[in-house]
Amino acid sequence: AQSVTQLDSQVPVFEEAPVELRCNYSSSVSVYLFWYVQYPNQGLQLLLKYLSGSTLVKGINGFEAEFNKSQTSFHLRKPSVHISDTAEYFCAVTPSHSGGYQKVTFGIGTKLQVIP
Amino acid sequence: DVKVTQSSRYLVKRTGEKVFLECVQDMDHENMFWYRQDPGLGLRLIYFSYDVKMKEKGDIPEGYSVSREKKERFSLILESASTNQTSMYLCASHDDRGDGYTFGSGTRLTVV
Repeated sequence: AQSVTQLDSQVPVFEEAPVELRCNYSSSVSVYLFWYVQYPNQGLQLLLKYLSGSTLVKGINGFEAEFNKSQTSFHLRKPSVHISDTAEYFCAVTPSHSGGYQKVTFGIGTKLQVIP
Repeated sequence: DVKVTQSSRYLVKRTGEKVFLECVQDMDHENMFWYRQDPGLGLRLIYFSYDVKMKEKGDIPEGYSVSREKKERFSLILESASTNQTSMYLCASHDDRGDGYTFGSGTRLTVV
C-alpha cells in the first residue's frame, strides 16, 4: 500500500515570490511520482513527473520538483509565481513495477493563492 | 491535442433519478477511470476499465456502475441518485502509467 501526504492545505504567496508545495509519500516499492494542477472548474493537468534518472525534474509553466528518496519527498517549487498560478495542486504516486493494475494514489491537494 | 471529453460540465438531478455521465477519449487508450473529487478528500477512485467490456471496482463503487461498450467511451451510471453523490466527477485515461493521466474537464453533479 502507498500513501501521499500534502502537508499544506493552503499556501498564500505574493506575486513574484518563490513557492514550495510539499509532498511526502510512503511506499514499500519503487514509485513513479507526479504533480498535477487544477484550475477552477477544470480537470487536472499533468505538471511534471518523475520516473527515474535525474532527481530534479522540470515541468510546464516554470515549475520543477525534486525527488528525495531518503526523505520520501517530492516537493514542487517555482522561483517566481504569477497570478495565473493560482490553482490547486495535487501530488500523486504509483508503483513503478509493471504487471496488473497498479493503483495511483492522490494527495488531498494544496491550494496556491497568489496575492497581487 | 489529446482529449478526454465529458459530456456535461454541470448537471442537476433529483433524488432517485438514474444518471448517466459520459466520457469519450480520442487517444486510443486502453485504461479509463472515474474519480469523484470532494473538498478535503482529494480524488477517490470509483471504477476503472482496462479493456472494452472489462471493469473493476475502485475504492468507492457503492451506488455506481459503469459501462464500456467501445474502447473510446466509458460511462458512469448512478442507478438511483442520492444527495451524498453531489460531487465533482472526473474521467481520466492513460495507456501507460508512466505517462500520467489525461483528465476530462469534470462534471459537477448536484443531486437535490
